[in-house]
Amino acid sequence: GALVYQYPRRTICKSGTSMRMECQAVGFQATSVAWYRQSPQKTFELIALSTVNSAIKYEQNFTQEKFPISHPNLSFSSMTVLNAYLEDRGLYLCGARTQISYEQYFGPGTRLTVL
Amino acid sequence: QQQVRQSPQSLTVWEGETAILNCSYENSAFDYFPWYQQFPGEGPALLISILSVSDKKEDGRFTIFFNKREKKLSLHIADSQPGDSATYFCAASGTQVVGQLTFGRGTRLQVYA
Repeated sequence: GALVYQYPRRTICKSGTSMRMECQAVGFQATSVAWYRQSPQKTFELIALSTVNSAIKYEQNFTQEKFPISHPNLSFSSMTVLNAYLEDRGLYLCGARTQISYEQYFGPGTRLTVL
Repeated sequence: QQQVRQSPQSLTVWEGETAILNCSYENSAFDYFPWYQQFPGEGPALLISILSVSDKKEDGRFTIFFNKREKKLSLHIADSQPGDSATYFCAASGTQVVGQLTFGRGTRLQVYA
């Protein structure tokens, strides 16, 4: 079946530092990867949508300068949170799908705590 | 402006009852509607989904009823079990921009034995 792994599962960083999180799809080709942030109140924000061989599309309020994303192949994507501050805390989720399906599968998330 | 709304915010049912979770949306361009189940500390898991060309989708104990005219849908969980206790998210996207899901705020379901 389709599985999505994310690591690390939890991370703590000091305010102003950066951290990188990774997403790996197993059992299917992740032609499209969407990164979301789920707030402590459980609301989801779409950060960006990355499709292999296409430009990464960032949503309003999120920029490449702050959240650079790499999607080098059909099984792997990474995102870095640069210069993290308190408002960046939350659960970062990676949702992956294939080109031939609407279904988006999520990983367990990387929980970011900023001190 | 919240494009996908869910109600109720929380719901409590007894084991064996049918739980009904509601969802409505604003954007007429939305035509794909997945429901996700999320347990504490985990990512959302795809439960069942429907395209707007259908008015009903069934998978085991889970059924989606869809009303395109009213822009409403509901998830019915039949014979609810304590293990169904979780937060359920309704999401939506257009099939032309698949991958960009808009989520509701969730319904927290509690099933008591």
